Amino acid sequence: TQLLEQSPQFLSIQEGENLTVYCNSSSVFSSLQWYRQEPGEGPVLLVTVVTGGEVKKLKRLTFQFGDARKDSSLHITAAQPGDTGLYLCAATNTNAGKSTFGDGTTLTVKP
Amino acid sequence: NAGVTQTPKFQVLKTGQSMTLQCAQDMNHNSMYWYRQDPGMGLRLIYYSASEGTTDKGEVPNGYNVSRLNKREFSLRLESAAPSQTSVYFCASSELGAVYRYFGPGTRLTVL
Repeated sequence: TQLLEQSPQFLSIQEGENLTVYCNSSSVFSSLQWYRQEPGEGPVLLVTVVTGGEVKKLKRLTFQFGDARKDSSLHITAAQPGDTGLYLCAATNTNAGKSTFGDGTTLTVKP
Repeated sequence: NAGVTQTPKFQVLKTGQSMTLQCAQDMNHNSMYWYRQDPGMGLRLIYYSASEGTTDKGEVPNGYNVSRLNKREFSLRLESAAPSQTSVYFCASSELGAVYRYFGPGTRLTVL
């Protein structure tokens, strides 16, 4: 079983602050996805990264895939209350039917 | 498009009762999945169907059965519910071979 460790597990910050959350593994992956899940809803895909060292930006969110394709980070600039939610990373190897999900980082952004 | 829909939204069962969770997608996706989400444990794959007519076990299949009724619908059945099956169940779909998933809103199941 390929484990994905996400840190921190919980993060509470004030509006306007910056933050970074991490997704780490000892395994190499062919791709990695980040999802955001709001209370009472299903996860929604934010981004997929596939190339080692790849950086993708989505407005105030910056995603990076590690050079060795074993880890990833999500950086949020000037967090807003609307960013509140559970951030999940998921990684896939050859069998796309069996993506592995991390346990998530619960982010609370206070106004 | 409704995307992925799930019924029911909430369900309370007694130990030993059976029930079927329904899932449908209108995106013409080939692959469908069932996950469960427990506090602090992320999403764990129960069963998946890569394409119509096929089903495969995921990480935690014990106590569950699935049916891929047609390309749109994928149901999950609990034959004899146990308290350990209290969880939030998510159905998802994707294009064949795609690494990302489109998730439904979930079914919150409590087994007493």
